[in-house]
Amino acid sequence: EVQLVESGGGLVQPGGSLRLSCAASGFTFSSYWMHWVRQAPGKGLVWVSRINSDGSSTSYADSVKGRFTISRDNAKNTLYLQMNSLRAEDTAVYYCARDSAQWLGAPLWYFDLWGRGTLVTVSS
Amino acid sequence: QSVLTQPPSVSGAPGQRVTISCTGSSSNIGAGYDVHWYQQLPGTAPKLLIYGNSNRPSGVPDRFSGSKSGTSASLAITGLQAEDEADYYCQSYDSSLSGPGVFGGGTKLTVL
Repeated sequence: EVQLVESGGGLVQPGGSLRLSCAASGFTFSSYWMHWVRQAPGKGLVWVSRINSDGSSTSYADSVKGRFTISRDNAKNTLYLQMNSLRAEDTAVYYCARDSAQWLGAPLWYFDLWGRGTLVTVSS
Repeated sequence: QSVLTQPPSVSGAPGQRVTISCTGSSSNIGAGYDVHWYQQLPGTAPKLLIYGNSNRPSGVPDRFSGSKSGTSASLAITGLQAEDEADYYCQSYDSSLSGPGVFGGGTKLTVL
């Protein structure tokens, strides 16, 4: 089955760190660009970060730049998001999402496969 | 405040047609970048509904259609059904931002 499964969310204090994982299965993970998108409780979708297929190129939303790091391990079919210096406003469900671009040198910037998400709560 | 503007809510009776607008600017939709639409049913992850302005992924009913003109785009749903009640998001690319994967604020569709 083609799917993405996130894990690693939980409750963390302000200033703390957390690493999210996204396990991919059922497709050639190493051929796709990947993204993280988050959704604060009761709010809309917000793009967070993206990574190219071999992990050599990344970009971030201004709100997380310098604090979050996206990475991937194609041998393990897993996408990661390392989150440091967490703030209350980072509280959200974090989704990993597959860019529709396969074997391409640039993302298409639309997401044809989503995980179910993992909840991150930043609170003291 | 979202880069792409959507109405917070729309509603319609079963069988009716509704449209959801998505307004951008010269750095995103108006610059020629494609618009995509997602449906998020309550308590679930978003699902791709329309890509490349007007294309439907396999499995999406032809009751859903998309269009784009100038700095705006629209999602139309015909033959409204109870199971269409969900949040709908438009999304595009913005060349002026370092975080270019921009979404609209979302529209809650209520089936009366």
